[in-house]
Amino acid sequence: EAGVAQSPRYKIIEKRQSVAFWCNPISGHATLYWYQQILGQGPKLLIQFQNNGVVDDSQLPKDRFSAERLKGVDSTLKIQPAKLEDSAVYLCASSGGLAGGYNEQFFGPGTRLTVL
Amino acid sequence: AQSVTQPDIHITVSEGASLELRCNYSYGATPYLFWYVQSPGQGLQLLLKYFSGDTLVQGIKGFEAEFKRSQSSFNLRKPSVHWSDAAEYFCAVAPGGSYIPTFGRGTSLIVHP
Repeated sequence: EAGVAQSPRYKIIEKRQSVAFWCNPISGHATLYWYQQILGQGPKLLIQFQNNGVVDDSQLPKDRFSAERLKGVDSTLKIQPAKLEDSAVYLCASSGGLAGGYNEQFFGPGTRLTVL
Repeated sequence: AQSVTQPDIHITVSEGASLELRCNYSYGATPYLFWYVQSPGQGLQLLLKYFSGDTLVQGIKGFEAEFKRSQSSFNLRKPSVHWSDAAEYFCAVAPGGSYIPTFGRGTSLIVHP
């Protein structure tokens, strides 16, 4: 079974530029998550989707970050404009199974963003 | 809100030695507790989890963890470390009823031959 796919793996941009990350979850997984992992810290949840609807985006800086999952499968996370403090690894995870119960999250390898 | 503390940023052990990684949590009730491992260039992988019941939890790769309510701790252990265990280890906590974890800052495990 293929795992969670993310691209690109690495991205270097100048501050104030825009950037987009793509995630393809495990086939059949209804729930998709985006995390931000700053160097020296644990991952922090940015947004959670259930199918194509947003379940929780309370930690997403909505003035510059946006995310979509239009067809309930793959997802894109965008930053516009980027700031130096956005330098981090952006992790995508997915989980499947029944809503309301525990479903293990499976993580992708992440996209390492460097903002200069 | 729940929080989790991993007091050790780095731990160095010799191959074959035993390992214990510390984790303390702050939460009013019994939370759900997790340990994840992150190898370089790879995503997080779940090692084990605790929801209820037996306080000694067995996980993958020979790891185990023990939930101690009186100490608000969930320490990870392995009796004999292998060089391939070198990685970043994250403890995480979720409130009962939600399975979305809040992660600690991680402990980097270095294994000497």
